[in-house]
Amino acid sequence: EVVLTQSPATLSLSPGERATLSCRASQTVNSYLAWYQQKPGQAPRLLIYDATNRATGIPARFSGSGSGTDFTLTISSVEPEDSAVYYCQQRGNWPPLTFGGGTKVEIK
Amino acid sequence: EVQLVESGGGLVQPGGCLRLSCAASEFTFGTYAMNWVRQTPGKGLEWVSTISGSSVDSFYADSVRGRFTISSDNSKTTLYLQMNNLRADDTAVYYCATGYYFDNWGQGTLVTVSS
Repeated sequence: EVVLTQSPATLSLSPGERATLSCRASQTVNSYLAWYQQKPGQAPRLLIYDATNRATGIPARFSGSGSGTDFTLTISSVEPEDSAVYYCQQRGNWPPLTFGGGTKVEIK
Repeated sequence: EVQLVESGGGLVQPGGCLRLSCAASEFTFGTYAMNWVRQTPGKGLEWVSTISGSSVDSFYADSVRGRFTISSDNSKTTLYLQMNNLRADDTAVYYCATGYYFDNWGQGTLVTVSS
């Protein structure tokens, strides 16, 4: 099973700052990695798929990079509505499909 | 816009069973893989099961294999999850979602397993 480790657990930023979230896989998943945003009381929303592709309707301030075992989600300039928990998920070596434990982004 | 609506959750005793449904609309059901994903209150996400678009192949997490069964009815554009021999650690919000990346999600249905 591919274990995804996300860091940091919590990120506290002011509006306009850059957010950098990390996801590390226990074995290679090639580029088969996605990122999701989840706000309280809501279902997750797909942000990025195949490591670098923005999903439909996702603002350009969200970008993904990486391949193999190390991946990054970057929010170039955080806005108050970006306050959420962010999860990575892999489909490069499954079953099982696996998620990371999440990074909570707080906007001051 | 794709719409997914889950139903069938509720309170059940340990050892009991439930069947969840996910009614899909506004997309060509049967051409996409469909999934169940669960989330324990206040915790992270856990993949439960996937069925291929053709319904030929199905996959399960180790934690539910042998107890849960995923199925779909293309004529009703509905996905199901039959859950038997439920345990306390199955308590979660259950979401249905499309694709091998979960690009569309329902609103979730809460399953509580407790005596």
